Amino acid sequence: NAGVTQTPKFQVLKTGQSMTLQCAQDMNHNSMYWYRQDPGMGLRLIYYSASEGTTDKGEVPNGYNVSRLNKREFSLRLESAAPSQTSVYFCASTATSGGYEQYFGPGTRLTVT
Amino acid sequence: KQEVTQIPAALSVPEGENLVLNCSFTDSAIYNLQWFRQDPGKGLTSLLLIQSSQREQTSGRLNASLDKSSGRSTLYIAASQPGDSATYLCAVRLISSGSARQLTFGSGTQLTVLP
Repeated sequence: NAGVTQTPKFQVLKTGQSMTLQCAQDMNHNSMYWYRQDPGMGLRLIYYSASEGTTDKGEVPNGYNVSRLNKREFSLRLESAAPSQTSVYFCASTATSGGYEQYFGPGTRLTVT
Repeated sequence: KQEVTQIPAALSVPEGENLVLNCSFTDSAIYNLQWFRQDPGKGLTSLLLIQSSQREQTSGRLNASLDKSSGRSTLYIAASQPGDSATYLCAVRLISSGSARQLTFGSGTQLTVLP
């Protein structure tokens, strides 16, 4: 099992450009999440998908959109990147049994200039 | 709103010491609590998951305890090694999170174990 995978690992964008961060999990998890991690701010939830076909806003959704393409894949889109979106982005998924343990991908380091 | 606090923010110990990392949370209506490890430039690795009905969980040299009534959890690391150097984060899942099951994270404790 690969667990949770994310692409790309690194990305540099200019202000105003758009991009999509990809995430996939092979653990048959129902719930998937996008977080951003910034120094001094900890991990903050951007969007989540409790199950295939549903998405909901988290703590910091402005400037982002998401798509739950199928049970495995959950993508995060930046339509018009801003320097404030420079961050490390993590995708995660939660087990549907055994206590709902959450598993994380390796992250995408995004810089917006 | 659930707040999760981890103290200290940074800790440096000599190799071989036993140590305790602290996590406190404001809303005791939790479903469970999860401890993670994060190495520099990497993702989060789950260490221990402790359910609200449990008092502690153990994995190797790690032991996590939970006191829901006082809103506290501790992560005990026995016989620390330089390879334990990392940031340790705790996260809680509220009962009210429902099917979404999202976590609220603390800011972490950065641990350095000196050889």
